[in-house]
Amino acid sequence: SQTIHQWPATLVQPVGSPLSLECTVEGTSNPNLYWYRQAAGRGLQLLFYSVGIGQISSEVPQNLSASRPQDRQFILSSKKLLLSDSGFYLCAWSGGVGYTFGSGTRLTVV
Amino acid sequence: AQSVTQLDSHVSVSEGTPVLLRCNYSSSYSPSLFWYVQHPNKGLQLLLKYTSAATLVKGINGFEAEFKKSETSFHLTKPSAHMSDAAEYFCVVRSLAGNNRKLIWGLGTSLAVNP
Repeated sequence: SQTIHQWPATLVQPVGSPLSLECTVEGTSNPNLYWYRQAAGRGLQLLFYSVGIGQISSEVPQNLSASRPQDRQFILSSKKLLLSDSGFYLCAWSGGVGYTFGSGTRLTVV
Repeated sequence: AQSVTQLDSHVSVSEGTPVLLRCNYSSSYSPSLFWYVQHPNKGLQLLLKYTSAATLVKGINGFEAEFKKSETSFHLTKPSAHMSDAAEYFCVVRSLAGNNRKLIWGLGTSLAVNP
């Protein structure tokens, strides 16, 4: 069966520090991968999606970047975090109609 | 273009009473629709999905939703609320723009269940 792993679960980082959140999928090949952000009191916002290795599409201009070095690995990064980057980040994959989400990372930038 | 509107940001019910979470969508073609649930500080879990098969969709934990094309609605219901149902619920429509299968999310409805 397919599983999705996302880590860390929580993260507190100072302003200006770098960020790396990792997401891996098991049990499937060539999945579509997504990074979403959920700010407090708001819905989910699609940040990036990828349909294959090295293929990244950005939905909104921001301080973050994404990379897909392997078929089942999706990484969310930042060189210098801003206070506004705080939020709940969710990785997801889809191989058909449905989506499966990771357990999320709560990022607090202080 | 597709969009989804959740008509209530907060719903409060008593345990054992029915739950109704309302969702309206906008789509120029037959959409795929989903309901997701998110418990506090947790990831998202799929409750149910509609993909042009039966209009009454049954999901997990006793939830169901009915696709009504004439009303462009996909309301989520449950006959009897349980304390563990307290969570955030999201109505979602799938975009077929391009080839990326993007999801378009409602802003969520927070469900409180009172003892």
